[in-house]
Amino acid sequence: DVKVTQSSRYLVKRTGEKVFLECVQDMDHENMFWYRQDPGLGLRLIYFSYDVKMKEKGDIPEGYSVSREKKERFSLILESASTNQTSMYLCASKRGGSWYGYTFGSGTRLTVV
Amino acid sequence: TQLLEQSPQFLSIQEGENLTVYCNSSSVFSSLQWYRQEPGEGPVLLVTVVTGGEVKKLKRLTFQFGDARKDSSLHITAAQTGDTGLYLCAGGGGGSNYKLTFGKGTLLTVNP
Repeated sequence: DVKVTQSSRYLVKRTGEKVFLECVQDMDHENMFWYRQDPGLGLRLIYFSYDVKMKEKGDIPEGYSVSREKKERFSLILESASTNQTSMYLCASKRGGSWYGYTFGSGTRLTVV
Repeated sequence: TQLLEQSPQFLSIQEGENLTVYCNSSSVFSSLQWYRQEPGEGPVLLVTVVTGGEVKKLKRLTFQFGDARKDSSLHITAAQTGDTGLYLCAGGGGGSNYKLTFGKGTLLTVNP
C-alpha cells in the first residue's frame, strides 16, 4: 500500500525552538510538498521540491526552510517557532505531470506555546 | 494567480438526501481533482477528470468537468453519514507541472 508518512501526528513546541517535521514517501515520486491548513484559509503551500536538492518557495515561505537530500524524504524546518505557526502541517507527494493528483500524509498537528 | 472557488462553504443535510457541490474558476485547468478529508487526517484523492465534459462515477458520487475545463461539480446521491468530511477540489496545469491549485473546500455534514 503506497503511502506518505509524517513522523509525528502531534507536536508541542516552545516559542523560539527549532522544529523539524519529517516526511517520507515510498512511491518514487519526483515532487513533494509542504502545506499548512488553517480554518477558513484552506491549504496554503509553504515549499515544494521537484527533484533532489531542488526547492521552490510556495505562497507562505517566511519562517520556514526545507531540505531534500534524498528523493523519498522532504523535511520542513521552522527556524524559530512562533505561536502563529500553530497549525496542521500536511506533506504530499506527486508524480510529474499536471494530470496526477497528490498523495497526502496524515498530517502533523503542531502547537507552539 | 489561479483561484478555485468552492460553494457552498458549509452544507448540513439528512441521511438519504442528494447534494451537489461546486468548484468554479475563471482559469482553464488541464485536470481537476476531488479530495475528501476526514477530521484529523490528510485529504484522500477521490477522482481526477481531464477532458472537458467528462463525467466519472464512483458508486454514489458523480463528478463532472465543465466543457471549458474551468469548473467542476460533485453530486452525491442518497448521502450517508460516512460521506461526512471536507471536500476539496484542486486544479492542475496552468503553467505548472508540479503543484495544484486548491479550493478552500466544502464542509459536508450528513446527519443520521
